[in-house]
Amino acid sequence: ETGVTQSPTHLIKTRGQQVTLRCSSQSGHNTVSWYQQALGQGPQFIFQYYREEENGRGNFPPRFSGLQFPNYSSELNVNALELDDSALYLCASSTGQGRRYEQYFGPGTRLTVT
Amino acid sequence: AQSVSQHNHHVILSEAASLELGCNYSYGGTVNLFWYVQYPGQHLQLLLKYFSGDPLVKGIKGFEAEFIKSKFSFNLRKPSVQWSDTAEYFCAVNGGSQGNLIFGKGTKLSVKP
Repeated sequence: ETGVTQSPTHLIKTRGQQVTLRCSSQSGHNTVSWYQQALGQGPQFIFQYYREEENGRGNFPPRFSGLQFPNYSSELNVNALELDDSALYLCASSTGQGRRYEQYFGPGTRLTVT
Repeated sequence: AQSVSQHNHHVILSEAASLELGCNYSYGGTVNLFWYVQYPGQHLQLLLKYFSGDPLVKGIKGFEAEFIKSKFSFNLRKPSVQWSDTAEYFCAVNGGSQGNLIFGKGTKLSVKP
């Protein structure tokens, strides 16, 4: 078990709705990355936050947005949900941004869009 | 753009058999390489990583991987698998300045007792 927690564990939303997912990073970690893992696929990078600023973004549309708070916890917001947004959303924290910092993953939030 | 290919979608082995899972990556610069494991119902866990130095890397639970730069490969091995190794295995590369991971599609390993 890492010290990264995510909430909720599961949720079901309807197409067109908005959703907020939450992540608490491991103690001492100032960087949070979000990934989307569709069924049968590897995780795909959504974006990264470092010291409350977005630090990089993958190939996801603007309706995917996020925040990082002063305590380094983070939120992922998805607007105008589509059926293809159904996936496991993973949060990972690290002690810094950059490729030499190991990322520690949380258990994920399973989002189902109907 | 970086990419990671995992050759096997599903591997089925009997206990005590040897394991080798293939991973190739596409990136022209310096990379860090990782293998993660996802046991059923559990979160992603790091098995091992390569940053630099000895290309033969030993990880947890008896796993090892060899980085072959000329082949852009980072194959995962275990001499003798156990039923408890049943899981999905992901190879990942991290070559960008941000440190984000690029994952392969994963290989599901089923070990028969």
